[in-house]
Amino acid sequence: DAGVTQSPTHLIKTRGQQVTLRCSPKSGHDTVSWYQQALGQGPQFIFQYYEEEERQRGNFPDRFSGHQFPNYSSELNVNALLLGDSALYLCASSLTGFGETQYFGPGTRLLVL
Amino acid sequence: AQSVTQLDSQVPVFEEAPVELRCNYSSSVSVYLFWYVQYPNQGLQLLLKYLSGSTLVESINGFEAEFNKSQTSFHLRKPSVHISDTAEYFCAVTSNYGGSQGNLIFGKGTKLSVKP
Repeated sequence: DAGVTQSPTHLIKTRGQQVTLRCSPKSGHDTVSWYQQALGQGPQFIFQYYEEEERQRGNFPDRFSGHQFPNYSSELNVNALLLGDSALYLCASSLTGFGETQYFGPGTRLLVL
Repeated sequence: AQSVTQLDSQVPVFEEAPVELRCNYSSSVSVYLFWYVQYPNQGLQLLLKYLSGSTLVESINGFEAEFNKSQTSFHLRKPSVHISDTAEYFCAVTSNYGGSQGNLIFGKGTKLSVKP
């Protein structure tokens, strides 16, 4: 059983560009959450998707947007990239019930120059 | 608002020695607590979690953590560490979001370095 997968593994962009990161959840999971982990910091919650809708959102600007597809996979889009967006972006999937474990993917490392 | 404080950013320890990684949280509602481990260049893996019931929870690889409501702590312990335990450890909290999975709030992490 494949776990959570993310693509690409690494990405280099320049300021002002746009980026799309992708996530495939663990088989059977219907909820996808995205986190940003800056160097030397713990992950910070960006948003969570369930039934193709954004259910919760953290303290991130509107430049960060997402989507969930009918097969539960998800995308994270970041517009007008800033140097400060350089980070490891983690996707986590879970079942929707409370207390369910969030399983994390290996992440996409984004470098903005 | 909820927050998590991991009191030590780095913990060096010799192999087979005991270790404690400290975690304190603040919250105005009932919280549920987690420890995740991150090996170099990998994502996070759940080590153990506390939702309810016994305040002492254990992982399959010898770690344990105790939920202490009065001290708002969830410290992680292992009586004898191995070289392979070298990793970064994150404490996290969440709350019940209308019966569904709430978002995780993480501490800044503690780097455990086990030396031979």
